[in-house]
Amino acid sequence: DAGVIQSPRHEVTEMGQEVTLRCKPISGHDYLFWYRQTMMRGLELLIYFNNNVPIDDSGMPEDRFSAKMPNASFSTLKIQPSEPRDSAVYFCASSQISGTEAFFGQGTRLTVV
Amino acid sequence: DAKTTQPNSMESNEEEPVHLPCNHSTISGTDYIHWYRQLPSQGPEYVIHGLTSNVNNRMASLAIAEDRKSSTLILHRATLRDAAVYYCILKSGNTPLVFGKGTRLSVIA
Repeated sequence: DAGVIQSPRHEVTEMGQEVTLRCKPISGHDYLFWYRQTMMRGLELLIYFNNNVPIDDSGMPEDRFSAKMPNASFSTLKIQPSEPRDSAVYFCASSQISGTEAFFGQGTRLTVV
Repeated sequence: DAKTTQPNSMESNEEEPVHLPCNHSTISGTDYIHWYRQLPSQGPEYVIHGLTSNVNNRMASLAIAEDRKSSTLILHRATLRDAAVYYCILKSGNTPLVFGKGTRLSVIA
């Protein structure tokens, strides 16, 4: 397996624009996690899914953030409208069952100018 | 979530063993101790985990205190490629990983 695949690797956008980050988890994994990493706040859990169903979205910072998982092989994290303070590296991870090893993607570095 | 305490940074010479400590005095009976590391410009990667007994794998060893209130990740021979931030995380049941600040390990040639 190619591991967790995130796209794009880098995204630069203007304030106010919509941004969509994509994630393909490892096949057969039934948990998917979205994290955000900044220098100030470190790695923060935003939301996670089990069998495509959102379980806990309490880490999503504002209503501008939304995440979906329409099927077992694809998830999106959308920011609309984007703001400069959303600049961060966003990681997607998946695991077979929560409690075992989680596999992380390479991340998407988002810059909002 | 139970919390862990790690030194902010540590330094090691190449080819020497490294002992990365972690305190978790409020650990509960169902908490597993997980270690992840994050290499520069990469996502975190799993290193090792354990419950009560010491654990070994190809990457590292995990030594867990008898009272489980502390643990130590041991890299037997540090290489330059081991320079990373190392996270000690307590995890039980179906809860996701919650990352603290970790220990930044520098390896000197």
